[in-house]
Amino acid sequence: GPKVLQIPSHQIIDMGQMVTLNCDPVSNHLYFYWYKQILGQQMEFLVNFYNGKVMEKSKLFKDQFSVERPDGSYFTLKIQPTALEDSAVYFCASSRDRGHERLFFGHGTKLSVL
Amino acid sequence: QQQVRQSPQSLTVWEGETAILNCSYENSAFDYFPWYQQFPGEGPALLISILSVSDKKEDGRFTIFFNKREKKLSLHIADSQPGDSATYFCAASGAGFASALTFGSGTKVIPCLP
Repeated sequence: GPKVLQIPSHQIIDMGQMVTLNCDPVSNHLYFYWYKQILGQQMEFLVNFYNGKVMEKSKLFKDQFSVERPDGSYFTLKIQPTALEDSAVYFCASSRDRGHERLFFGHGTKLSVL
Repeated sequence: QQQVRQSPQSLTVWEGETAILNCSYENSAFDYFPWYQQFPGEGPALLISILSVSDKKEDGRFTIFFNKREKKLSLHIADSQPGDSATYFCAASGAGFASALTFGSGTKVIPCLP
């Protein structure tokens, strides 16, 4: 079936550094999402993105976070600077349409901030 | 504030028996309730979903029972099999949102031989 690819699968960085998480969404999907999951807790919505713009974001989407998808390439989540509490698994998802649409998730990128 | 709650956290079920996973929510604006299945090391995948206008949705061995008045729903997995070993997330979203799903913390299902 359709797949969302996330690169890398694991990233280890020092606190204060910048990190970019990459997502290759399903090819004909138009809506893109990032979710954050801390070990043992539920997945929490960060942001969704459509037509080059952020549509919704949660309070977890701090000022240090940004998303973009330049020229239809990877959908990226950038954190600059990183903090210890950013350590989590970040899931990218995409959907064909908005509303009650099926989300396709990637396998996640585990971010470890030291 | 946890808007979607799941119980139990972990569930051991005899193979061939029915596993019952519970979910409750607080926000009356929620009207779409998907269940996602997640295997270790993978992203969640949509299993089955229900809209609040229905009280039951069936797909093979998986059935959702929905009680709008009590803001509760449950997922029944009939004839549990080893391949059902996964974590199951209840999620919810409301009309007018751009699929900003709110997830529960998940129930880990562990089938075991009788």
